[in-house]
Amino acid sequence: QKEVEQNSGPLSVPEGAIASLNCTYSDRGSQSFFWYRQYSGKSPELIMSIYSNGDKEDGRFTAQLNKASQYVSLLIRDSQPSDSATYLCAVRSLKAAGNKLTFGGGTRVLVKP
Amino acid sequence: KAGVTQTPRYLIKTRGQQVTLSCSPISGHRSVSWYQQTPGQGLQFLFEYFSETQRNKGNFPGRFSGRQFSNSRSEMNVSTLELGDSALYLCASSPEGGASGYTFGSGTRLTVV
Repeated sequence: QKEVEQNSGPLSVPEGAIASLNCTYSDRGSQSFFWYRQYSGKSPELIMSIYSNGDKEDGRFTAQLNKASQYVSLLIRDSQPSDSATYLCAVRSLKAAGNKLTFGGGTRVLVKP
Repeated sequence: KAGVTQTPRYLIKTRGQQVTLSCSPISGHRSVSWYQQTPGQGLQFLFEYFSETQRNKGNFPGRFSGRQFSNSRSEMNVSTLELGDSALYLCASSPEGGASGYTFGSGTRLTVV
């Protein structure tokens, strides 16, 4: 079992719709969770972080965390063609010293006009 | 505020050679992590340095090594290059504390021929 799992996609959504991305993790000791967006040919950029159960909203993005079920999700509201990218889920575990993040394989999102 | 700077952006090397990649973190960031990104394996953790000490190491052969200098700049070295080392090498920095997400540099695209 991979430490952090994501559906690779592509997740195709029409412009203006909600894109829903999911991520599951295996280590119950995980404490910090991040979503990165990576455009083709570019490096990942941090878009959301979440540390406690529940929802966290930032603009059109909402991150949801459920530690009991070991999943974290990302909602993109009013999806735009510029949201087309690969979204990476990253998890920081207490097991590892320091600041090691483990990444999922990413979900490719395609927003169609 | 300057971002994470990686040099060079592109490299072409021959099998058996060695290569050194450089990373300058965001000013004030003392944690520097290195990742290898390939289409098949995604983002794989190489190592993390903090205050010139390696805090974490991923599952890579000993041909991959790194170091950090007193000004937090970091280098990674790959010796005896193999074709499979062709990848995007990403450096990321974060503030002290370990709870924050990373900020990635633009990466070094290494091609081994």
